[in-house]
Amino acid sequence: GENVEQHPSTLSVQEGDSAVIKCTYSDSASNYFPWYKQELGKRPQLIIDIRSNVGEKKDQRIAVTLNKTAKHFSLHITETQPEDSAVYFCAASDPEGSARQLTFGSGTQLTVLP
Amino acid sequence: NAGVTQTPKFRILKIGQSMTLQCTQDMNHNYMYWYRQDPGMGLKLIYYSVGAGITDKGEVPNGYNVSRSTTEDFPLRLELAAPSQTSVYFCAALAGGSGTDTQYFGPGTRLTVL
Repeated sequence: GENVEQHPSTLSVQEGDSAVIKCTYSDSASNYFPWYKQELGKRPQLIIDIRSNVGEKKDQRIAVTLNKTAKHFSLHITETQPEDSAVYFCAASDPEGSARQLTFGSGTQLTVLP
Repeated sequence: NAGVTQTPKFRILKIGQSMTLQCTQDMNHNYMYWYRQDPGMGLKLIYYSVGAGITDKGEVPNGYNVSRSTTEDFPLRLELAAPSQTSVYFCAALAGGSGTDTQYFGPGTRLTVL
């Protein structure tokens, strides 16, 4: 089955700086890669996703890059703000699989220092 | 349109007790999932369903059971609660059509087994 590894587990940045979180996956059949943000005590919420036919996707201050050859993808947050502080999870899925199951990374606690 | 709802929000069980975690979605989504999230960890898939009457095991199904008699409801049953089942449980739903890969999560149920 799929295995997703996520690094770093914790990340502290100064407000206004950029943050980068990296994930690797094992199953070459995976071609859908979402990123979820989870605030303390809340549900995970999708912030951006990318499919394997695209190398990069941006949404305002958030971007995701994908390298299918190397089987890794990254989340980039620019101009970080205190409200970006949360746990971020990457995931991988084979959308053509029987149940579109997501395999999640272990999460990154991002802290944006004022 | 409430999306995915879960009840209860919190519950404390004694070892050996049983309970059912409720999950309901009003989006008419075919796919539903149950995850558990242990403190500081990612989400692990317990069970999933690709439609009414169809369920299957995920990564960590032991100690749990599910049913899917309707599209809307996907309850998770714990028969003999154990301390190892102390966790936050999230239900999620996914439409299942072409290009619809986003899983939407419910607010979660925090379960403590003492």
